[in-house]
Amino acid sequence: EAQVTQNPRYLITVTGKKLTVTCSQNMNHEYMSWYRQDPGLGLRQIYYSMNVEVTDKGDVPEGYKVSRKEKRNFPLILESPSPNQTSLYFCASGPSGDYEQYFGPGTRLTVT
Amino acid sequence: AQKITQTQPGMFVQEKEAVTLDCTYDTSDQSYGLFWYKQPSSGEMIFLIYQGSYDEQNATEGRYSLNFQKARKSANLVISASQLGDSAMYFCAIRVGDKLIFGTGTRLQVFP
Repeated sequence: EAQVTQNPRYLITVTGKKLTVTCSQNMNHEYMSWYRQDPGLGLRQIYYSMNVEVTDKGDVPEGYKVSRKEKRNFPLILESPSPNQTSLYFCASGPSGDYEQYFGPGTRLTVT
Repeated sequence: AQKITQTQPGMFVQEKEAVTLDCTYDTSDQSYGLFWYKQPSSGEMIFLIYQGSYDEQNATEGRYSLNFQKARKSANLVISASQLGDSAMYFCAIRVGDKLIFGTGTRLQVFP
């Protein structure tokens, strides 16, 4: 089944404790992206990647890191999480930026 | 800077009626794409429809159609014959270059 998977789905952590949210897709897509969704703000793009070893900032990259060492994986790293990073995070992939993106199920992160 | 505006925080429609969800956008680029996504209460993001800036005909996908008025910079979603399962959040988004920018969403509620 073609899909985008994210892990974990739910995470509660404390300020400053490094964490990684994994994202994997099995559709051989070149384009992958991370978004955060906050009430009243819609989805905002954090980082995106056009291909392996190619990443670029979206609109809200501060406090996040990404890497794209393999085509299928695009982990989101929070080196020192803060409470303002409490949010619902979505990973998405697509054949390129020109086409619709397929979204993962979301990761609900709470930073206390 | 690119921007998407959805001015209707919430909409109600009776089952079997048609409903229009508004979306206006702002970009100085000539090449862009417009997307609509649905987010049911379960949280996943579901792609509905796409319109390219150079497409002369309005996009349609089943009960969904996109009323694209380029001069007015609007890309309204029309849902015909509403069903109870259409109750969800609906997001309009614009792709410019490799970035995807979302609006704040419209919550649609379909009543019997």
